[in-house]
Amino acid sequence: ETGVTQTPRHLVMGMTNKKSLKCEQHLGHNAMYWYKQSAKKPLELMFVYNFKEQTENNSVPSRFSPECPNSSHLFLHLHTLQPEDSALYLCASSQVLGTNGGETQYFGPGTRLLVL
Amino acid sequence: DQQVKQNSPSLSVQEGRISILNCDYTNSMFDYFLWYKKYPAEGPTFLISISSIKDKNEDGRFTVFLNKSAKHLSLHIVPSQPGDSAVYFCAASVPSSNTGKLIFGQGTTLQVKP
Repeated sequence: ETGVTQTPRHLVMGMTNKKSLKCEQHLGHNAMYWYKQSAKKPLELMFVYNFKEQTENNSVPSRFSPECPNSSHLFLHLHTLQPEDSALYLCASSQVLGTNGGETQYFGPGTRLLVL
Repeated sequence: DQQVKQNSPSLSVQEGRISILNCDYTNSMFDYFLWYKKYPAEGPTFLISISSIKDKNEDGRFTVFLNKSAKHLSLHIVPSQPGDSAVYFCAASVPSSNTGKLIFGQGTTLQVKP
């Protein structure tokens, strides 16, 4: 496997279900990100992990719970979601150099989530 | 408040002609800009970037121009090919010490007609 992979690619869940999205990066990067893309909206940053530490939580509801056990893996645990949470969830990684940004993020293919 | 804006939701050009995609930003502190291309059912793919210390960066058929005084950047694709049909996102890097955070525009759907 190369690049950034995400599983599952598609997920349908009820509002009372608990599920997890998985992301794995094979690029040796030290930062990982979760984004949400809803129809006709820009990509919205949800969480940032840098060196396994969460450095940003962009006012995301607690029904979304990230986990980063190591610099290569990132999870997004979902519980009691709402239909408006249906979207494409994208994972990305980058090599943060610790200065003023300027790093390129590389994205996985995304998980298309439908909440019924 | 949207800091990165792509005001044209769609663009249609003929194969072989030039495609020009535009992006405006409001934060003069942004120091690095990127363009991504996205096909349906796939994640965004990095295309080209430019640092704020430059005004032009070229890579094959793709050239990005940056006008800092106007807070405007554009992506030129020439010659355009049908395979270039996709959604194009511009993004700007937030200058901060540890996060590499990007702010994305809404995207422009490019259609290249054969």
